[in-house]
Amino acid sequence: DGGITQSPKYLFRKEGQNVTLSCEQNLNHDAMYWYRQDPGQGLRLIYYSQIVNDFQKGDIAEGYSVSREKKESFPLTVTSAQKNPTAFYLCASKTTSGGDQETQYFGPGTRLLVL
Amino acid sequence: AQSVTQPDIHITVSEGASLELRCNYSYGATPYLFWYVQSPGQGLQLLLKYFSGDTLVQGIKGFEAEFKRSQSSFNLRKPSVHWSDAAEYFCAVAFTGGGNKLTFGTGTQLKVEL
Repeated sequence: DGGITQSPKYLFRKEGQNVTLSCEQNLNHDAMYWYRQDPGQGLRLIYYSQIVNDFQKGDIAEGYSVSREKKESFPLTVTSAQKNPTAFYLCASKTTSGGDQETQYFGPGTRLLVL
Repeated sequence: AQSVTQPDIHITVSEGASLELRCNYSYGATPYLFWYVQSPGQGLQLLLKYFSGDTLVQGIKGFEAEFKRSQSSFNLRKPSVHWSDAAEYFCAVAFTGGGNKLTFGTGTQLKVEL
């Protein structure tokens, strides 16, 4: 089955620690996205990538980093510079060709908690 | 900057009653419009989308939405709500030339009373 997988489902971070959230898709999508979700605030864009080896900052990139070495994978690192990392993190992807270029499809999410 | 407004934070309806969730956007051009649904602790599932053509679009789970250009609205409707529809609903908008970004509303939490 084609889809987007995110791991782990839950992640705990200690003070001063960097943690990496995994996002993998087998939909052959070119573009991938990371969102942060906080209660009552909807989804906010952290980073996005439209092609391998290229990515752009979203609206709240500070304290986060990404890489895009493979088309299928777009990991997100939450660095120690992110002072309030507790949130639900959602990965999404979409095609960049054909008639459905604007529709993003989402993974199941990772909940990050600070110890 | 473009924005999306979902004016109702919480809505409670009785099972079997009709439902309408409101969504308004601000932007000059015609956007691409989406409704997503999220169950607790889960990702977002696409309910329906509007790109062009017929302004009344049908989605999954019996939902429909109507695009009204004059009101900059894209309200979601369902004639008869089921208890399993209880979830959070998000309206989202993409704009041509917007860098492939989606702008989301803050969501409407739907509670269904049995």
